[in-house]
Amino acid sequence: EVQLVESGGGLVQPGGSLRLSCAASGFTFSSYAMSWVRQAPGKGLEWVSAISGSGGTTYYADSVKGRFTISRDNSKNTLYLQMNSLRAEDTAVYYCAKYPLTVAATWYFDYWGQGTLVTVSS
Amino acid sequence: EIVLTQSPGTLSLSPGERATLSCRASQSVSSSFLAWYQQKPGQAPRLLIYGAASRATGIPDRFSGSGSGTDFTLTISRLEPEDFAVYYCQQYGNSPQTFGQGTKLEIK
Repeated sequence: EVQLVESGGGLVQPGGSLRLSCAASGFTFSSYAMSWVRQAPGKGLEWVSAISGSGGTTYYADSVKGRFTISRDNSKNTLYLQMNSLRAEDTAVYYCAKYPLTVAATWYFDYWGQGTLVTVSS
Repeated sequence: EIVLTQSPGTLSLSPGERATLSCRASQSVSSSFLAWYQQKPGQAPRLLIYGAASRATGIPDRFSGSGSGTDFTLTISRLEPEDFAVYYCQQYGNSPQTFGQGTKLEIK
């Protein structure tokens, strides 16, 4: 059974940093591209970033480019999102999501985690 | 970027009825690369349909997708109590992938 479990969310001040983690199990992690998708309170879904199965290729939404860094440790079956220079508009539930492909800039997501809440506020 | 507009915003129906949800794109979606997701309160989205019309693994056949170009439809043939949720469409044919704003399907 595919499982994706996010952690690392919390309250952070504007301009601060946070690192999210997503522990994956139930599939060969290194064979699949992964992504982060966020959902602001009461709002719809917004794609944030994606990474290939090897970790060698990354993609970012314009809204986070230069501030967020996606990475993965295939030996630990874990996906990360380093978030710097956080803004109030980054407040959202952040979901880890799996692509059914090894490399994908855009594709659909076949599995999602339960999400972790990031709140940016002073 | 492609903007997806879902309608209606809220759909009020009773169990056993048929639900028709619309997703309209601001420009043609390449190769019908459109997906539908279901999200219940406090839960992660669940993939229902990909490629506009292909059901994901384990999805009941009362869910069906159709459409091409700029107009897509999700149909639930006979609503079950567990189907009342928010539904999102997503296009993945053009970068960046984008989502619609959602249709809330509520019990009448």
